[in-house]
Amino acid sequence: GQQVMQIPQYQHVQEGEDFTTYCNSSTTLSNIQWYKQRPGGHPVFLIQLVKSGEVKKQKRLTFQFGEAKKNSSLHITATQTTDVGTYFCAGDPQDRSTLGRLYFGRGTQLTVWP
Amino acid sequence: NAGVMQNPRHLVRRRGQEARLRCSPMKGHSHVYWYRQLPEEGLKFMVYLQKENIIDESGMPKERFSAEFPKEGPSILRIQQVVRGDSAAYFCASRRDGYNEQFFGPGTRLTVL
Repeated sequence: GQQVMQIPQYQHVQEGEDFTTYCNSSTTLSNIQWYKQRPGGHPVFLIQLVKSGEVKKQKRLTFQFGEAKKNSSLHITATQTTDVGTYFCAGDPQDRSTLGRLYFGRGTQLTVWP
Repeated sequence: NAGVMQNPRHLVRRRGQEARLRCSPMKGHSHVYWYRQLPEEGLKFMVYLQKENIIDESGMPKERFSAEFPKEGPSILRIQQVVRGDSAAYFCASRRDGYNEQFFGPGTRLTVL
């Protein structure tokens, strides 16, 4: 069945260091989305990637979608304490038999030490 | 435009009681998803509904759990005869037809004593 794997599960960095989380799907995706959940909060949509090889930037955040549309990454440059939270990827399979459901990765919990 | 609303935000139940969780999607959103999240864990898909229809309930336990999204009113996730293992945060998300982005509600934290 459809699976989305995300690594690492935890990442602790010093403020100013970079951070990357990786997402891999067992099947080809139509698109992939990224969400952020602050401690005690709810997931908030960050971005959606649709095209093969697509790269999108949001200030210090860079999102990539693999050429085969089966993997993705989120890279944060020079982390800040406001980046603390759990980052989830969510894949929308190309096979439409899944009827609009997203498959979430387990998430990467980022801790930033000041 | 109000966001996704969930109530109650916190719910305490004793074992064997029923829990009813409500979700009002954003205006214009006809797709609703329910997720469960345990502390330090990811989001576990439970059920996907459109108005008056269950589209995918593959993530929902067959016993004690049910969900509905009536023509009028909020979506309801109902857990009968709760057990301690049901304690978790339950998030609802909605999206507009033709769009993929899901908007999450603040969640209901269920505690079973």
